[in-house]
Amino acid sequence: KNEVEQSPQNLTAQEGEFITINCSYSVGISALHWLQQHPGGGIVSLFMLSSGKKKHGRLIATINIQEKHSSLHITASHPRDSAVYICAASRGSQGNLIFGKGTKLSVKP
Amino acid sequence: AAGVIQSPRHLIKEKRETATLKCYPIPRHDTVYWYQQGPGQDPQFLISFYEKMQSDKGSIPDRFSAQQFSDYHSELNMSSLELGDSALYFCASSSRPKTSGSTDTQYFGPGTRLTVL
Repeated sequence: KNEVEQSPQNLTAQEGEFITINCSYSVGISALHWLQQHPGGGIVSLFMLSSGKKKHGRLIATINIQEKHSSLHITASHPRDSAVYICAASRGSQGNLIFGKGTKLSVKP
Repeated sequence: AAGVIQSPRHLIKEKRETATLKCYPIPRHDTVYWYQQGPGQDPQFLISFYEKMQSDKGSIPDRFSAQQFSDYHSELNMSSLELGDSALYFCASSSRPKTSGSTDTQYFGPGTRLTVL
């Protein structure tokens, strides 16, 4: 079993839909990261969470430490949101990331 | 704002050759991480450096070595290249928080795409 699991693996949505991507982890973590990877390969850090909830524009990330679960929500989705969204966990002060398999999101106009 | 710079962006090598990948972190970042992402795979942690010292080691083959220099840039040296080394190699940098046990956001470079023929 992977230490960081994401669902769904693939997600297709219509423009304007509310999207949720889930992440569960089985390790003790110092932080949970949500990353976005575009088809060209570049990775952008969206959020780093250790508790509670963070919001940036149309993106919201939440984490429940007790349940070892995090969600990434996208409101009013747009075709430019199409990308792979990766959940990753960091442990301790070393900070190296343990990656989930990613969720490939495709938003259709 | 300055971002993480990686060079080269693309590299093609033959089997058994060597390759050197370079990473220039964001100014004042003291920590560098190297990750390898094979085709269709999730990234895997290779190695990290903090203040020019190796701080953690992941699934880095013995054929690979890395170091962080006095100006904080890092180089990943890869020898006896194999077909399976073909991948996207990411470098990320961060600034280690003063609070023990915590981490900071990692900023990723654009990656170096290595193709071994």
